[in-house]
Amino acid sequence: QKEVEQNSGPLSVPEGAIASLNCTYSDRGSQSFFWYRQYSGKSPELIMFIYSNGDKEDGRFTAQLNKASQYVSLLIRDSQPSDSATYLCAVNFNSGNTPLVFGKGTRLSVIA
Amino acid sequence: DARVTQTPRHKVTEMGQEVTMRCQPILGHNTVFWYRQTMMQGLELLAYFRNRAPLDDSGMPKDRFSAEMPDATLATLKIQPSEPRDSAVYFCASGVYHPRWVTGELFFGEGSRLTVL
Repeated sequence: QKEVEQNSGPLSVPEGAIASLNCTYSDRGSQSFFWYRQYSGKSPELIMFIYSNGDKEDGRFTAQLNKASQYVSLLIRDSQPSDSATYLCAVNFNSGNTPLVFGKGTRLSVIA
Repeated sequence: DARVTQTPRHKVTEMGQEVTMRCQPILGHNTVFWYRQTMMQGLELLAYFRNRAPLDDSGMPKDRFSAEMPDATLATLKIQPSEPRDSAVYFCASGVYHPRWVTGELFFGEGSRLTVL
């Protein structure tokens, strides 16, 4: 059973702080990892993906991957109230040929 | 502006009725997925197609759910008969798969919110 685990939250951070979202997955052979953001009542949208161990930065967002620990995280620097949403971690367990498996998401609330 | 289009956006029906949801994927995308989202289970894969061929529908209750892709511009998900436990948001998503590179970006439609009374 391929599983993706996330803390459901809510995670509350003050405006301007760093929000740290975490995700673990069950299969050590997993290939690629994705973070989707979902605003309430809306559909998920991709914000970042990462394939290699280490950090990947895109603006205020940094994805971190540690395949040995089967752990992926998303850091949001200078958090804004507009970042308040549910963040879904998704894993491709088999080199692109299989659908993404999603975690249940972590709800983030950025307090102004 | 390319996007996945789903209809209906909202559907309220009574138990036992047939429900059909439709999806128009982004032109040129060769893979189409149906996901169901609930608070308890999160996003669950129901079925997916590649180049219109069904690849996996093991996530669907076979006795009541069916998914088809009659042409490249239309995917359908049908529930017959519907039950209250089917109440959820149903998302269609499309993407591109190529054997030479790892892809994963899915483009989601706005979802169909189904309520079965």
